[in-house]
Amino acid sequence: AQTVTQSQPEMSVQEAETVTLSCTYDTSESDYYLFWYKQPPSRQMILVIRQEAYKQQNATENRFSVNFQKAAKSFSLKISDSQLGDAAMYFCAYRGYYGGSQGNLIFGKGTKLSVKP
Amino acid sequence: ETGVTQTPRHLVMGMTNKKSLKCEQHLGHNAMYWYKQSAKKPLELMFVYSLEERVENNSVPSRFSPECPNSSHLFLHLHTLQPEDSALYLCASSRRLAGPGETQYFGPGTRLLVL
Repeated sequence: AQTVTQSQPEMSVQEAETVTLSCTYDTSESDYYLFWYKQPPSRQMILVIRQEAYKQQNATENRFSVNFQKAAKSFSLKISDSQLGDAAMYFCAYRGYYGGSQGNLIFGKGTKLSVKP
Repeated sequence: ETGVTQTPRHLVMGMTNKKSLKCEQHLGHNAMYWYKQSAKKPLELMFVYSLEERVENNSVPSRFSPECPNSSHLFLHLHTLQPEDSALYLCASSRRLAGPGETQYFGPGTRLLVL
């Protein structure tokens, strides 16, 4: 069974600085998708970024980028120029390539990010 | 984000009560999900519906009863809950169930407290 591990329960970053959130996963599949979701205090979970395992290029969305190391099964999220609005819980998630039970999202426990002004 | 809405946002109920959580998606999606989010635990998938048919039930106790009358609405009926059922219940939807890389869109959740 696939598992997702986020080893940092809490992280803190100074405004305008850069922070990296770590995520590792375990799978025997070769094709899959990885996601980072953000859950602000208002609780609505929103997608930050996603990565297709078959792509070697790391995904980037504005200030958010990932470091995807397939061999190491590592998928870290880098937030550049941190803003106060980035404060939230961040969840790493895995999804198998195909639908059905393989296609369900498997989440890590989350990392709580605080941004200091 | 108003694509997926949930009501109520907060709910307090006794163990003998019966209540229902409602989820509505305005995205034209065909798949909907119920998740349970407890403190310091990963999100747990409870139920999955595709085109109004339940396709997965992850060993959820029968005191939780889902209903999907159409592709836009999803309910979670609650009865004789236990205090350990207190959690944030999240609804999500995706364009379809199968297919690579389908993104799930989440609602704001219902914070449930069982006394």
